[in-house]
Amino acid sequence: KNEVEQSPQNLTAQEGEFITINCSYSVGISALHWLQQHPGGGIVSLFMLSSGKKKHGRLIATINIQEKHSSLHITASHPRDSAVYICAVSPNFGNEKLTFGTGTRLTIIP
Amino acid sequence: SAVISQKPSRDICQRGTSLTIQCQVDSQVTMMFWYRQQPGQSLTLIATANQGSEATYESGFVIDKFPISRPNLTFSTLTVSNLSPEDSSIYLCSAGTGGSWQFFGPGTRLTVL
Repeated sequence: KNEVEQSPQNLTAQEGEFITINCSYSVGISALHWLQQHPGGGIVSLFMLSSGKKKHGRLIATINIQEKHSSLHITASHPRDSAVYICAVSPNFGNEKLTFGTGTRLTIIP
Repeated sequence: SAVISQKPSRDICQRGTSLTIQCQVDSQVTMMFWYRQQPGQSLTLIATANQGSEATYESGFVIDKFPISRPNLTFSTLTVSNLSPEDSSIYLCSAGTGGSWQFFGPGTRLTVL
Protein backbone atom coordinates (compact mmCIF):
# COMPACT_ATOMS: atom_id res chain seq x y z
CA LYS A 1 0.00 0.00 0.00
CA ASN A 2 1.36 3.41 -1.00
CA GLU A 3 1.90 5.93 1.76
CA VAL A 4 -0.02 8.55 -0.23
CA GLU A 5 -3.06 7.59 -2.25
CA GLN A 6 -5.19 9.78 -4.46
CA SER A 7 -8.61 9.35 -5.97
CA PRO A 8 -9.81 9.40 -8.58
CA GLN A 9 -6.92 8.59 -10.90
CA ASN A 10 -8.71 10.23 -13.81
CA LEU A 11 -11.53 12.74 -13.82
CA THR A 12 -13.36 14.27 -16.76
CA ALA A 13 -15.90 17.01 -16.16
CA GLN A 14 -17.77 19.70 -17.99
CA GLU A 15 -16.71 23.31 -17.75
CA GLY A 16 -18.27 24.97 -14.73
CA GLU A 17 -18.54 21.84 -12.60
CA PHE A 18 -17.31 21.66 -9.02
CA ILE A 19 -14.30 19.35 -8.79
CA THR A 20 -13.06 17.37 -5.80
CA ILE A 21 -9.80 15.40 -5.68
CA ASN A 22 -9.02 13.34 -2.61
CA CYS A 23 -5.76 12.39 -0.92
CA SER A 24 -5.26 9.94 1.93
CA TYR A 25 -1.97 9.25 3.66
CA SER A 26 -0.82 6.67 6.16
CA VAL A 27 2.21 8.32 7.76
CA GLY A 28 2.68 11.13 10.22
CA ILE A 29 3.21 14.42 8.47
CA SER A 30 4.13 17.98 9.18
CA ALA A 31 2.60 19.35 5.98
CA LEU A 32 0.67 18.29 2.90
CA HIS A 33 1.23 19.79 -0.52
CA TRP A 34 -0.97 20.08 -3.55
CA LEU A 35 0.91 20.43 -6.83
CA GLN A 36 -0.24 21.03 -10.39
CA GLN A 37 1.59 19.53 -13.36
CA HIS A 38 0.81 20.70 -16.87
CA PRO A 39 1.43 18.60 -20.00
CA GLY A 40 4.87 20.13 -20.54
CA GLY A 41 5.99 18.61 -17.26
CA GLY A 42 6.60 21.68 -15.12
CA ILE A 43 5.15 21.67 -11.63
CA VAL A 44 3.55 24.50 -9.70
CA SER A 45 3.07 24.35 -5.96
CA LEU A 46 -0.56 25.24 -5.22
CA PHE A 47 -0.86 24.80 -1.47
CA MET A 48 1.05 23.71 1.56
CA LEU A 49 -1.12 23.10 4.60
CA SER A 50 -0.87 21.43 7.97
CA SER A 51 -4.36 22.13 9.30
CA GLY A 52 -7.71 23.55 8.32
CA LYS A 53 -8.38 25.09 4.97
CA LYS A 54 -6.73 27.38 2.45
CA LYS A 55 -8.21 29.20 -0.52
CA HIS A 56 -6.59 30.75 -3.55
CA GLY A 57 -8.89 32.03 -6.23
CA ARG A 58 -11.10 29.14 -7.36
CA LEU A 59 -8.99 26.56 -5.56
CA ILE A 60 -9.67 25.36 -2.03
CA ALA A 61 -7.61 22.84 -0.07
CA THR A 62 -8.68 21.22 3.17
CA ILE A 63 -6.99 18.80 5.50
CA ASN A 64 -8.24 16.62 8.35
CA ILE A 65 -5.22 15.56 10.39
CA GLN A 66 -7.15 13.06 12.53
CA GLU A 67 -8.52 11.27 9.47
CA LYS A 68 -5.27 11.69 7.49
CA HIS A 69 -7.20 13.03 4.56
CA SER A 70 -7.06 16.09 2.34
CA SER A 71 -9.20 17.36 -0.50
CA LEU A 72 -8.57 19.79 -3.31
CA HIS A 73 -11.63 21.54 -4.70
CA ILE A 74 -11.95 23.58 -7.86
CA THR A 75 -15.00 25.79 -8.23
CA ALA A 76 -16.35 26.90 -11.61
CA SER A 77 -13.88 24.64 -13.41
CA HIS A 78 -12.37 25.80 -16.68
CA PRO A 79 -10.52 23.97 -19.48
CA ARG A 80 -7.28 25.66 -18.37
CA ASP A 81 -7.59 23.72 -15.11
CA SER A 82 -6.87 20.55 -17.08
CA ALA A 83 -3.69 19.14 -15.58
CA VAL A 84 -2.39 16.44 -13.28
CA TYR A 85 -2.89 17.27 -9.61
CA ILE A 86 -0.45 15.68 -7.22
CA CYS A 87 -0.67 15.33 -3.46
CA ALA A 88 2.60 15.09 -1.53
CA VAL A 89 3.49 14.95 2.15
CA SER A 90 6.40 16.17 4.22
CA PRO A 91 7.20 13.73 7.02
CA ASN A 92 8.70 16.11 9.56
CA PHE A 93 8.83 19.87 9.90
CA GLY A 94 11.97 21.11 8.24
CA ASN A 95 12.48 17.82 6.41
CA GLU A 96 11.66 18.78 2.89
CA LYS A 97 11.79 15.31 1.36
CA LEU A 98 8.38 14.78 -0.15
CA THR A 99 6.46 11.57 -0.68
CA PHE A 100 4.16 11.84 -3.68
CA GLY A 101 0.82 10.41 -4.63
CA THR A 102 0.32 9.02 -8.11
CA GLY A 103 -1.63 12.04 -9.28
CA THR A 104 -5.12 12.74 -10.61
CA ARG A 105 -5.47 13.58 -14.27
CA LEU A 106 -8.20 16.20 -14.64
CA THR A 107 -9.74 17.05 -17.99
CA ILE A 108 -12.27 19.85 -18.25
CA ILE A 109 -14.36 19.78 -21.40
CA PRO A 110 -15.63 23.11 -22.79
CA SER B 1 9.65 32.62 -3.18
CA ALA B 2 12.10 31.23 -5.71
CA VAL B 3 12.10 30.97 -9.48
CA ILE B 4 13.84 27.94 -10.93
CA SER B 5 15.06 27.42 -14.47
CA GLN B 6 16.33 24.23 -16.01
CA LYS B 7 18.39 23.59 -19.12
CA PRO B 8 17.83 21.89 -21.45
CA SER B 9 14.05 21.77 -21.50
CA ARG B 10 14.18 18.61 -23.59
CA ASP B 11 16.73 16.46 -25.34
CA ILE B 12 16.97 13.33 -27.41
CA CYS B 13 20.09 11.30 -26.70
CA GLN B 14 21.68 8.17 -28.03
CA ARG B 15 22.12 5.07 -25.93
CA GLY B 16 25.42 5.03 -24.03
CA THR B 17 25.89 8.79 -23.93
CA SER B 18 25.34 11.16 -20.98
CA LEU B 19 23.20 14.21 -20.40
CA THR B 20 23.88 16.98 -17.91
CA ILE B 21 20.92 18.99 -16.69
CA GLN B 22 21.42 22.39 -15.10
CA CYS B 23 19.20 23.89 -12.43
CA GLN B 24 19.46 27.57 -11.57
CA VAL B 25 17.61 29.29 -8.72
CA ASP B 26 17.16 33.04 -8.60
CA SER B 27 17.93 33.19 -4.87
CA GLN B 28 20.05 31.31 -2.39
CA VAL B 29 18.37 28.17 -1.10
CA THR B 30 19.38 25.68 1.53
CA MET B 31 18.26 22.47 -0.14
CA MET B 32 17.95 21.36 -3.74
CA PHE B 33 16.40 18.12 -4.88
CA TRP B 34 16.43 16.11 -8.08
CA TYR B 35 13.45 14.00 -9.09
CA ARG B 36 12.68 11.57 -11.87
CA GLN B 37 9.24 11.05 -13.31
CA GLN B 38 9.00 8.02 -15.55
CA PRO B 39 6.18 7.88 -18.09
CA GLY B 40 2.83 7.54 -16.37
CA GLN B 41 4.40 7.53 -12.93
CA SER B 42 4.65 9.98 -10.09
CA LEU B 43 7.81 11.70 -8.97
CA THR B 44 10.62 9.77 -7.35
CA LEU B 45 13.37 11.51 -5.43
CA ILE B 46 16.81 10.74 -6.83
CA ALA B 47 18.95 12.71 -4.40
CA THR B 48 19.31 15.76 -2.25
CA ALA B 49 22.02 18.11 -3.48
CA ASN B 50 24.00 19.51 -0.59
CA GLN B 51 26.13 22.61 -1.04
CA GLY B 52 29.78 21.92 -0.41
CA SER B 53 29.39 18.19 0.13
CA GLU B 54 28.36 15.05 -1.69
CA ALA B 55 24.76 14.52 -2.62
CA THR B 56 22.60 12.19 -0.56
CA TYR B 57 21.10 9.48 -2.77
CA GLU B 58 17.86 7.60 -2.28
CA SER B 59 17.63 3.85 -2.37
CA GLY B 60 18.00 2.57 -5.92
CA PHE B 61 20.02 5.54 -7.17
CA VAL B 62 23.82 5.62 -7.26
CA ILE B 63 26.39 8.32 -7.78
CA ASP B 64 28.03 6.59 -10.75
CA LYS B 65 24.78 6.72 -12.70
CA PHE B 66 23.51 10.09 -11.43
CA PRO B 67 26.46 12.30 -10.44
CA ILE B 68 25.33 15.60 -8.94
CA SER B 69 27.18 18.83 -8.35
CA ARG B 70 26.16 21.71 -6.08
CA PRO B 71 28.92 24.30 -6.31
CA ASN B 72 26.96 27.10 -4.63
CA LEU B 73 23.61 27.99 -3.08
CA THR B 74 21.88 28.82 -6.38
CA PHE B 75 23.02 26.14 -8.82
CA SER B 76 23.12 22.38 -9.25
CA THR B 77 23.64 19.90 -12.05
CA LEU B 78 22.46 16.33 -12.51
CA THR B 79 24.18 14.07 -15.01
CA VAL B 80 22.44 10.94 -16.23
CA SER B 81 25.23 8.64 -17.39
CA ASN B 82 25.43 5.70 -19.75
CA LEU B 83 21.94 6.34 -21.03
CA SER B 84 19.51 3.57 -21.86
CA PRO B 85 15.90 3.81 -23.06
CA GLU B 86 14.78 3.14 -19.47
CA ASP B 87 16.21 6.56 -18.54
CA SER B 88 13.62 8.28 -20.71
CA SER B 89 11.81 10.43 -18.17
CA ILE B 90 11.15 13.95 -17.02
CA TYR B 91 13.82 15.14 -14.62
CA LEU B 92 12.88 17.94 -12.24
CA CYS B 93 14.81 19.93 -9.73
CA SER B 94 13.29 21.69 -6.78
CA ALA B 95 14.49 24.05 -4.11
CA GLY B 96 13.55 24.21 -0.47
CA THR B 97 13.62 27.53 1.29
CA GLY B 98 12.87 26.18 4.73
CA GLY B 99 9.70 25.10 6.46
CA SER B 100 8.86 22.34 3.97
CA TRP B 101 7.77 24.58 1.09
CA GLN B 102 9.31 23.63 -2.27
CA PHE B 103 9.56 25.34 -5.63
CA PHE B 104 9.87 23.23 -8.74
CA GLY B 105 11.63 23.77 -12.01
CA PRO B 106 9.96 23.37 -15.40
CA GLY B 107 11.50 19.95 -15.95
CA THR B 108 13.76 18.39 -18.57
CA ARG B 109 12.16 15.83 -20.85
CA LEU B 110 14.74 13.21 -21.86
CA THR B 111 14.21 10.68 -24.62
CA VAL B 112 16.83 7.99 -25.14
CA LEU B 113 16.92 6.19 -28.47
